[in-house]
Amino acid sequence: DSGVTQTPKHLITATGQRVTLRCSPRSGDLSVYWYQQSLDQGLQFLIQYYNGEERAKGNILERFSAQQFPDLHSELNLSSLELGDSALYFCASSVDGGVTGELFFGEGSRLTVL
Amino acid sequence: EDQVTQSPEALRLQEGESSSLNCSYTVSGLRGLFWYRQDPGKGPEFLFTLYSAGEEKEKERLKATLTKKESFLHITAPKPEDSATYLCAAANNAGNMLTFGGGTRLMVKP
Repeated sequence: DSGVTQTPKHLITATGQRVTLRCSPRSGDLSVYWYQQSLDQGLQFLIQYYNGEERAKGNILERFSAQQFPDLHSELNLSSLELGDSALYFCASSVDGGVTGELFFGEGSRLTVL
Repeated sequence: EDQVTQSPEALRLQEGESSSLNCSYTVSGLRGLFWYRQDPGKGPEFLFTLYSAGEEKEKERLKATLTKKESFLHITAPKPEDSATYLCAAANNAGNMLTFGGGTRLMVKP
């Protein structure tokens, strides 16, 4: 158990809909990262927050947004969903902002868009 | 653009048959090279960080090494419980974002 909690574990929805994925980092970790994993693209970095502030942005679509709240939990919002958004979405956390590369990953939220 | 490529995509070994996984990287100013293990249905689990060419790290049957262009994950006398996907990632000096390779799926048969 990494200590990172993600909900929901599975989500099935229709094209055009909006969903919210939630992540609670390990106790004491200030950084939260979101990654998308699909069969053809591998693990792709989406966005990083550090203590409530956006720290780095990767290949995140404009239809996607995220935020980190004062209690350090984070939410990833996916809107106007398309079939191609079906993937595993991982949240990870670290205590040091990722300097050592040691990220602790949750078990992921599997999104299926029909 | 940073790139990380892993080979082979899949590797089948017999228990006790040692082998190596390859990770080639193109990164502008490597800050660190990282290895993770991912079991089916789980998130990646951190294994090693390597910072400079010539560095080696060991953990049980795994040893990671780093050159200026590649990293290798050597698996000595593997056991079935070593079966997993091994992911390599690199970070550049510009930030803390990790660029992951596609992974090598390792299957160890008893």
